[in-house]
Amino acid sequence: GAGVSQSPRYKVAKRGQDVALRCDPISGHVSLFWYQQALGQGPEFLTYFQNEAQLDKSGLPSDRFFAERPEGSVSTLKIQRTQQEDSAVYLCASSLVNELYNEQFFGPGTRLTVL
Amino acid sequence: QKEVEQNSGPLSVPEGAIASLNCTYSDRGSQSFFWYRQYSGKSPELIMFIYSNGDKEDGRFTAQLNKASQYVSLLIRDSQPSDSATYLCAVRGGSYIPTFGRGTSLIVHP
Repeated sequence: GAGVSQSPRYKVAKRGQDVALRCDPISGHVSLFWYQQALGQGPEFLTYFQNEAQLDKSGLPSDRFFAERPEGSVSTLKIQRTQQEDSAVYLCASSLVNELYNEQFFGPGTRLTVL
Repeated sequence: QKEVEQNSGPLSVPEGAIASLNCTYSDRGSQSFFWYRQYSGKSPELIMFIYSNGDKEDGRFTAQLNKASQYVSLLIRDSQPSDSATYLCAVRGGSYIPTFGRGTSLIVHP
């Protein structure tokens, strides 16, 4: 079956622009995570959904970041008024459920460059 | 704040050798531990997870966990050039949200 997909794969934005990043999780996966990965660093947690409910958004760096998953499948991460420090790879991961031993399956990521 | 520490490397080993990758974590409540491999420009993929003290083997890979020392390691036997990648350690505790280390870059040279 299909894995996690993300679009666009690459996004170049001018400072101050708004961007929207899309994640299509594996069908049937209840849990969905967004991470930010800066160059040379590990993924940093941003937010977590269980179905359509956003259960944890403690990792969102500012109120410019907003995520939604309205129907419990596709998710969108929106960044308003982008800044240069937002440049990173944004990874989406899904898992069947969110339990201690469940594997997370990662999408290919969206590389965001803010000029 | 929960921390997961890894030496960024690079760790360079000759083909056929054993590569040893290490990870320490700060949260004593951590319960499950994951090793991911990430090729340059690609997304992380799970290699192994472990949750009990001791060793867990899967093919050429062995994960070792010592909760008392808050230490988890990954051994890769008979290292191949195709193993060259960044290896990420991830730790999960009561919140179920994983915390990742920065990763260790492994280079296996022929």
